[in-house]
Amino acid sequence: TQLLEQSPQFLSIQEGENLTVYCNSSSVFSSLQWYRQEPGEGPVLLVTVVTGGEVKKLKRLTFQFGDARKDSSLHITAAQTGDTGLYLCAGGGGSYIPTFGRGTSLIVHP
Amino acid sequence: EAQVTQNPRYLITVTGKKLTVTCSQNMNHEYMSWYRQDPGLGLRQIYYSMNVEVTDKGDVPEGYKVSRKEKRNFPLILESPSPNQTSLYFCASSLTGGPGYGYTFGSGTRLTVV
Repeated sequence: TQLLEQSPQFLSIQEGENLTVYCNSSSVFSSLQWYRQEPGEGPVLLVTVVTGGEVKKLKRLTFQFGDARKDSSLHITAAQTGDTGLYLCAGGGGSYIPTFGRGTSLIVHP
Repeated sequence: EAQVTQNPRYLITVTGKKLTVTCSQNMNHEYMSWYRQDPGLGLRQIYYSMNVEVTDKGDVPEGYKVSRKEKRNFPLILESPSPNQTSLYFCASSLTGGPGYGYTFGSGTRLTVV
């Protein structure tokens, strides 16, 4: 079974600060997705990365896929209260059962 | 609007009383799946379907059934619910389910079995 470890588990910061969350595995993934989930709602897809070393930007969010396709990071610049939520990474391999990490719970205080 | 619709949003039931949670998508996606989300355990896949009449077990299929008679619908059936099936359930769909395609999730069904 492939495992995805996310760190940190919890993050509480002030508005305007920068932060990075990590998603690590000992397995190689053919693709990796990042989602944000708000309380009581389903996860919403933010980005998919498929190429080792790939960097994608979504406004203040920067996503990176590791060269070996075993890890990924999400960096948020100048966090806002609207960034509050649970950030999940999910890896796709050879099967149709994606592996989800347990998430990083982010709270941004005004 | 492209979406996955689950019903009901909230459900309280008693042990052993059969129930069905419906899921429908309007994006013509081939792949659909069901997940449960529990504190400390994250999202775990229950069943998935790659196309009509094709279903397969995920990581935690015990106690659940599914069917895929039409492309857009993928209901989750609990024949005899038990308290350990109390959880937050999500239906999701994807164009093909293969690498490179993300998932569109429904808003969730919070199930309590007493």
